[in-house]
Amino acid sequence: GQQVMQIPQYQHVQEGEDFTTYCNSSTTLSNIQWYKQRPGGHPVFLIQLVKSGEVKKQKRLTFQFGEAKKNSSLHITATQTTDVGTYFCAGPGYSSASKIIFGSGTRLSIRP
Amino acid sequence: GAVVSQHPSRVICKSGTSVKIECRSLDFQATTMFWYRQFPKQSLMLMATSNEGSKATYEQGVEKDKFLINHASLTLSTLTVTSAHPEDSSFYICSARSGLYEQYFGPGTRLTVT
Repeated sequence: GQQVMQIPQYQHVQEGEDFTTYCNSSTTLSNIQWYKQRPGGHPVFLIQLVKSGEVKKQKRLTFQFGEAKKNSSLHITATQTTDVGTYFCAGPGYSSASKIIFGSGTRLSIRP
Repeated sequence: GAVVSQHPSRVICKSGTSVKIECRSLDFQATTMFWYRQFPKQSLMLMATSNEGSKATYEQGVEKDKFLINHASLTLSTLTVTSAHPEDSSFYICSARSGLYEQYFGPGTRLTVT
């Protein structure tokens, strides 16, 4: 079945260091979304990428959609303690584009 | 912005009882609502997709007779966990979508079955 995997599963960094999470889909995606879930909270939409090779930035966050539209990455420059949480990528279901399949997530923790 | 509420936020029930969780889109009409469950330190697993006025579409492995979904209006969907057992204890999250892609998530309901 369709799988959306993320690596790494966990990342522990010193505050100020950079962080990157990678998302890989077993199928080509028409779009990819990124969400952030704080501990104890619910997922919050960050961004959506649609075009092949697209790069979008939100302050210290840089999102990239692969040329083949099967992978994506999220890079955070100079992490801050407020960046703590789990980052999920998500894409439309292969069998039905109306549903969203979430990646396995990358949990980011930060040493102050 | 788009706001989705869930009620209750936490519920503790005894094994064998049923629990109803409400999901409401507060400031927009949701063409589609989704129900997810999330176990500790795991990803969100889609349980079912719900469209207003029609039967929900359940994901493989999700018992539709156990997890009853009613999408009564464009702003309300309910999930009823029938005859709950301890293994049903989880974090249940709904989301609502008005357009083509973006989903807005509710704050979640933490269910504990004793």
